[in-house]
Amino acid sequence: AQRVTQPEKLLSVFKGAPVELKCNYSYSGSPELFWYVQYSRQRLQLLLRHISRESIKGFTADLNKGETSFHLKKPFAQEEDSAMYYCALGMGGSTLGRLYFGRGTQLTVWP
Amino acid sequence: DTGVSQNPRHKITKRGQNVTFRCDPISEHNRLYWYRQTLGQGPEFLTYFQNEAQLEKSRLLSDRFSAERPKGSFSTLEIQRTEQGDSAMYLCASTQGQINSPLHFGNGTRLTVT
Repeated sequence: AQRVTQPEKLLSVFKGAPVELKCNYSYSGSPELFWYVQYSRQRLQLLLRHISRESIKGFTADLNKGETSFHLKKPFAQEEDSAMYYCALGMGGSTLGRLYFGRGTQLTVWP
Repeated sequence: DTGVSQNPRHKITKRGQNVTFRCDPISEHNRLYWYRQTLGQGPEFLTYFQNEAQLEKSRLLSDRFSAERPKGSFSTLEIQRTEQGDSAMYLCASTQGQINSPLHFGNGTRLTVT
């Protein structure tokens, strides 16, 4: 069965410190992985997706099929990065948009 | 704001009552999704439409739930005979339905069943 695990419910770092939000998935096919972010009082929005291989707001994520992981990383956290982050798994093709979300990690960046 | 719009933002109802939520997607998006999010969890898929056709329903969607998208534009989600376990945030999202098109979420409707 498809599953996304985000082991950390809460994560706190100081401004300028590196941050890594962990995400592991379970899926036997070819996965599509995403990170969504929800800032305070805003709607859920896409941060980045593995297929794009891009860096957004300084965040990167690499799909590691061997470890079934898609960890989100940023070398120097900023206070404005404080938000709820959700890792999501898609199976592509005709199921486009049908995503399995993890429970989320609340990131707090202290000044 | 030309994003996904959901109404109402909040709904409080008594157990056993029926409720209906509305979602207006981004106008050129042909795919529309409903998700449910309970406290401390990520969104869970309920159902989706391509234009007016409902193509998939999750097992989470009991027969008390029904969704429609009559003209391929806005969608409604109705819950009949609400139960306390239905209390959640109901999220709507839309996309153009092409590979790499991201999901655009609405602000959600928060349902509280007393």
